[in-house]
Amino acid sequence: QSALTQPPSASGSPGQSVTISCTGTSSDVGGYNYVSWYQQHPGKAPKLMIYEVSKRPSGVPDRFSGSRSGNTASLTVSGLQAEDEADYYCSSYAGSTNLFGTGTKVTVL
Amino acid sequence: EVQLVESGGGLVQPGGSLRLSCAASGFTFSYFSMTWVRQAPGKGLEWVAYISSTTGTIYYADSVKGRFTISRDNAKNSLYLQMNSLRAEDTAIYYCARDGFGAYGMDVWGQGTTVTVSS
Repeated sequence: QSALTQPPSASGSPGQSVTISCTGTSSDVGGYNYVSWYQQHPGKAPKLMIYEVSKRPSGVPDRFSGSRSGNTASLTVSGLQAEDEADYYCSSYAGSTNLFGTGTKVTVL
Repeated sequence: EVQLVESGGGLVQPGGSLRLSCAASGFTFSYFSMTWVRQAPGKGLEWVAYISSTTGTIYYADSVKGRFTISRDNAKNSLYLQMNSLRAEDTAIYYCARDGFGAYGMDVWGQGTTVTVSS
C-alpha cells in the first residue's frame, strides 16, 4: 500500500493557475474513476474539492478542476486566490484499500 | 447541519488500548459507509479503515490490520475505532469521514481527535 506521488510544493501569483499532479499505477489511479482531491488548511480537517476524477461538490468554486491521463491525475486551480494557499492531497480507490497522495503545499506568492 | 464529532482520544502507553467514537448528525447515518483517516504530526493523510453502511464490508490498512477494529451502531448514529496494541507510530489526529469508498469521495469530515502513544 504505497502512497501516491505528488510534488512537495507548487506556487503561483494571484490570478495565475497552478496544476498539481498525482501519480499512481494501473491498480489505483489508472484503474478506477475514483480519484478525489482534498484541501487542508493548517489545523483544520480536510475538505473534499474534487471526486470521481473531475466532479465538483456543491459549493466548491469552478476554479478547481480535475482530470486524469493514464496513471496520473491532476488538480488545476485557476485564478489563484489567497485563500487557496493550503495543502492538497489526492486519493484513489484501489480495490480493498484507499490510497492518499504524499501531499502538495500550494503557496500563493 | 451535517456533522461528525470525534471523541475518545488521549495519551496512552505503548501496548495500551483506546476506543474512538464518532457521532453523526444531520443525515441518515445508516445509509452511508464510513472511514477513519489519520494524520501523524507534520505528516500527510493515511487511510486507516472502512466500514460499509450495513457493516457487511470492512477493510483495514496493512499498518493497523489485526490491531484495530472498526465498528458502527446505526441505532446510535455512531462509528467506533477500537485500537489495541498501540505503538508510538500510531500517534496522530484521527478523523472520521463519510465515505463512498470511491464514489462521491470523503465528503463530510469531523474535526479530529488526537491520540498520543508515549510512555
